[in-house]
Amino acid sequence: QVQLVESGGGLVKPGGSLRLSCAASGFTFSDYYMSWIRQAPGKGLEWVSYISSSNSYANYADSVKGRFTISRDNAKNSLYLQMNSLRAEDTAVYYCARLHRGGGSIHYFDYWGQGTLVTVSS
Amino acid sequence: SYELTQPPSVSVSPGQTASISCSGYKLGDKYACWYQQKPGQSPVLVIHQDSKRPSGIPERFSGSNSGNTATLTISGTQAMDEADYYCQAWDSSTVVFGGGTKLTVL
Repeated sequence: QVQLVESGGGLVKPGGSLRLSCAASGFTFSDYYMSWIRQAPGKGLEWVSYISSSNSYANYADSVKGRFTISRDNAKNSLYLQMNSLRAEDTAVYYCARLHRGGGSIHYFDYWGQGTLVTVSS
Repeated sequence: SYELTQPPSVSVSPGQTASISCSGYKLGDKYACWYQQKPGQSPVLVIHQDSKRPSGIPERFSGSNSGNTATLTISGTQAMDEADYYCQAWDSSTVVFGGGTKLTVL
């Protein structure tokens, strides 16, 4: 069965850095686009970034562009999110999600991990 | 930037039909999907491609999308359906989520 397990969250000071990881299993990781989605405490879902299956293309939300970098290692079935220049407003649970891409822009997130909490505070 | 608007809350009595709307400019020209999130849990896809149910999602969940509004309908709502629901669509290669609707079954 598909499993996505995030790790790497924790407490970090404003301006600091953190690297999140997502270990994937139960499917052919290299066949799928992957994404990070976050949820601030008590708030809604916010898309952060996605990356192509071959690691050749990535897109970011304006709120994180220039500060966050998504990457993947298909040999290790792993997805990463390097977060730099962290701000208090980046405090959230970060979910790793598999992106199902169909024809005609039929794209949706069909599997989600359990999330990892990032807290940015002094 | 593209926005999706959902009502903050919807209430329904057990066994009745709940409808949750999601509004966006020409949303009917895009594909909408819906996620259910229960407290302390990760989101779960309940509808994709406007109206298709993933395997394992009960038949009481259905969806539609036309004009500027997508709608998630839950027929014969059960207590276990109490959750937050989020719509989602794509616009110019970016992902957009609605603000979420808290469904209360009372």
